[in-house]
Amino acid sequence: NAGVMQNPRHLVRRRGQEARLRCSPMKGHSHVYWYRQLPEEGLKFMVYLQKENIIDESGMPKERFSAEFPKEGPSILRIQQVVRGDSAAYFCASHAPEGRETQYFGPGTRLLVL
Amino acid sequence: GNSVTQMEGPVTLSEEAFLTINCTYTATGYPSLFWYVQYPGEGLQLLLKATKADDKGSNKGFEATYRKETTSFHLEKGSVQVSDSAVYFCALTSNQAGTALIFGKGTTLSVSS
Repeated sequence: NAGVMQNPRHLVRRRGQEARLRCSPMKGHSHVYWYRQLPEEGLKFMVYLQKENIIDESGMPKERFSAEFPKEGPSILRIQQVVRGDSAAYFCASHAPEGRETQYFGPGTRLLVL
Repeated sequence: GNSVTQMEGPVTLSEEAFLTINCTYTATGYPSLFWYVQYPGEGLQLLLKATKADDKGSNKGFEATYRKETTSFHLEKGSVQVSDSAVYFCALTSNQAGTALIFGKGTTLSVSS
């Protein structure tokens, strides 16, 4: 059973470009969280999704950030017009329907904005 | 609101030393408590958890006890190894469905031989 997969592992963008981060949850998991880890900080919640539904996006910046989890395919975190402050590690986590309190994390995508 | 405070690092120990990383929390109700470990360049791995007061989580020689009276969940290990060098995160979640984890800032542990 493969774990949570994220790609790319590293992404370099110039200011103003778009960044797309992908997350495939563990098999059988239908819920996905996205977290952001700034340098020297703990992880901060961004958004919580179920297939085809955003459940909680209270941690997501109001502008330039969006997330989706389509019926088929991975969850996508999209950052438009990136700025240097977006440089961070972005982690995805998933959980099983019956194990809501235990989240399993992917290896993360490290975004660097030049 | 809910929050987690853990001791600042870095913590530097010699191999076979005793480890304690303090973690205290603020939460309404009865949260579940977790320790995650992050090795360099990797994602977070669940190390152990406890879901109610007085529960003890344990894994790979690490232990933590859910202490409601002191709102603490300190991580301990009797004899650390070089391979334990990593960043350790204390976290909580309320038991409401779909609640995100709230993390402490992390404590870096460095073990030398």
